[in-house]
Amino acid sequence: KAGVTQTPRYLIKTRGQQVTLSCSPISGHRSVSWYQQTPGQGLQFLFEYFSETQRNKGNFPGRFSGRQFSNSRSEMNVSTLELGDSALYLCASSSTLAGGQETQYFGPGTRLLVL
Amino acid sequence: AQTVTQSQPEMSVQEAETVTLSCTYDTSESDYYLFWYKQPPSRQMILVIRQEAYKQQNATENRFSVNFQKAAKSFSLKISDSQLGDAAMYFCAYRSPNFGNEKLTFGTGTRLTIIP
Repeated sequence: KAGVTQTPRYLIKTRGQQVTLSCSPISGHRSVSWYQQTPGQGLQFLFEYFSETQRNKGNFPGRFSGRQFSNSRSEMNVSTLELGDSALYLCASSSTLAGGQETQYFGPGTRLLVL
Repeated sequence: AQTVTQSQPEMSVQEAETVTLSCTYDTSESDYYLFWYKQPPSRQMILVIRQEAYKQQNATENRFSVNFQKAAKSFSLKISDSQLGDAAMYFCAYRSPNFGNEKLTFGTGTRLTIIP
């Protein structure tokens, strides 16, 4: 099976702009989670989608949003970019079989630089 | 809320030797899942090993094994016969057992250097 894919891999934006990142999960995986990784804050959970519904949300401002499509592909959007949004954004998918305890598999990430 | 602590920001080991990375966590839940992930310089996060809290037997995956001490809330990773390809950041992560809660809580990571 192909792994989790994320596009684009690198992105440069300026303050005030908005950005959309895309994630395609492993085939058959219906849960997609997003994480932000920075040197200062480490890995922080943004949100998780399952069957086109957001099930969980981390402690991020409303500028961070996401959605999931019927094919389980997910996008996250950051509006009004700030310098502090520069980070590696990781997407992870899991199959959520019975019990929902499946492992999360990560994509390569999108490196966002805000100037 | 659960917390995960990795107290060793950096570790180094000679090639072919054994190294142990530490992880402690805090939770009020009796059942949960623990993971070790590896993030090489290329940035792709890779699952190393997984442990279910209800299982007393420590998980092993080839050269990787864990020492899970539930009462002490400790979950260390032992890497045997270290190889150059083991050089990476290692993250310990916690996950609640609740269905629908996919959130992983990560530690701050340990950077492992392999000395040839």
